[in-house]
Amino acid sequence: GQNIDQPTEMTATEGAIVQINCTYQTSGFNGLFWYQQHAGEAPTFLSYNVLDGLEEKGRFSSFLSRSKGYSYLLLKELQMKDSASYLCAADQTGANNLFFGTGTRLTVIP
Amino acid sequence: GAGVSQSPSNKVTEKGKDVELRCDPISGHTALYWYRQSLGQGLEFLIYFQGNSAPDKSGLPSDRFSAERTGGSVSTLTIQRTQQEDSAVYLCASSSGSNYGYTFGSGTRLTVV
Repeated sequence: GQNIDQPTEMTATEGAIVQINCTYQTSGFNGLFWYQQHAGEAPTFLSYNVLDGLEEKGRFSSFLSRSKGYSYLLLKELQMKDSASYLCAADQTGANNLFFGTGTRLTVIP
Repeated sequence: GAGVSQSPSNKVTEKGKDVELRCDPISGHTALYWYRQSLGQGLEFLIYFQGNSAPDKSGLPSDRFSAERTGGSVSTLTIQRTQQEDSAVYLCASSSGSNYGYTFGSGTRLTVV
């Protein structure tokens, strides 16, 4: 079967670093997406990992281990505006759609 | 427009009534997706349109749900005889043809009372 697990909620302090983990089990795998979704707004694309390793993009980095079925999103120098839900999604071989996890709601506190 | 537009943004309907949700994708995007986001649930795939091909309806939860895409552009998702469990945010996304590069709309929040 297919499954994606990520923590439901996390809290972190402004200026700190937070890591949001995602584990996945899919039948066929092309790559792993991370999206950011502020309350009441559209999800927006953050990153797409196909190969193993860390990809850095400004304050946000994303890591993938295909052999372990594991990814994480790393947010550095947290800002209040980073309070949002972070959605992990798998791009499965032969599928016309992405398979999403339930999302992690991150709250950044002063 | 520059983004994916969905209307209405909010819809409250009585149980048993039919509703239509509209999605206007980015001009030139050949792929269009409908997803449903319920409280505590991940985005649930509903239906996928690609150009003039037959749509992938594998995610539609029941025969009360249907969707069409006219002229390869605007799409309408119809829910007949709405039930309370249909209450959710319905998100539309479009892309230039693959799972990469989705642009989502802001969604329609449907509440069935």
